[in-house]
Amino acid sequence: TQLLEQSPQFLSIQEGENLTVYCNSSSVFSSLQWYRQEPGEGPVLLVTVVTGGEVKKLKRLTFQFGDARKDSSLHITAAQPGDTGLYLCAGPSGGYQKVTFGIGTKLQVIP
Amino acid sequence: DTEVTQTPKHLVMGMTNKKSLKCEQHMGHRAMYWYKQKAKKPPELMFVYSYEKLSINESVPSRFSPECPNSSLLNLHLHALQPEDSALYLCASSQDTRGRSYNEQFFGPGTRLTVL
Repeated sequence: TQLLEQSPQFLSIQEGENLTVYCNSSSVFSSLQWYRQEPGEGPVLLVTVVTGGEVKKLKRLTFQFGDARKDSSLHITAAQPGDTGLYLCAGPSGGYQKVTFGIGTKLQVIP
Repeated sequence: DTEVTQTPKHLVMGMTNKKSLKCEQHMGHRAMYWYKQKAKKPPELMFVYSYEKLSINESVPSRFSPECPNSSLLNLHLHALQPEDSALYLCASSQDTRGRSYNEQFFGPGTRLTVL
């Protein structure tokens, strides 16, 4: 099983600040997904990155896939309280149907 | 319709009860999944159905019994559960991922299960 490590595990920032969270592995992934999960709800897919070095933007969120496809980052510009949630990275593991999740970064944006 | 729906939202059951969780999607996805999520943990895969056939069972105890009546519906039948089975149960669906390098899953809101 390929493992995904996420850091930091917890992050509390003020509204308007910028932040970056990381997803790292010692294994190469053919793709990585980022999800956001709010308490008591299911994860919501934000983005999929497939190509090494790829950068994708979703409004104030910027996702990057490492050149070697072993790591990914999520950068949020001018964080807002609505960005609060658990950010999970995920990638294929042990077959095309199985996905492994990182432990997540719990983000709190304080108004 | 890009939603995965799950019912009920909350369920409280005793250890001798039999109950079922239901999941539905109308995105034409041919793979459906059950996950279990404990507090402060990531989702943990339980079962995968592909084209209405069970393709993965992650060594889940037999007190959990999945069923896929058709391509849009997925059930999870519960019987003689233990208090440690209390968790958020998530259903997800995805397109057929064979030949793809990625597996984008769409999750329902989950069922919060409490076993007394």
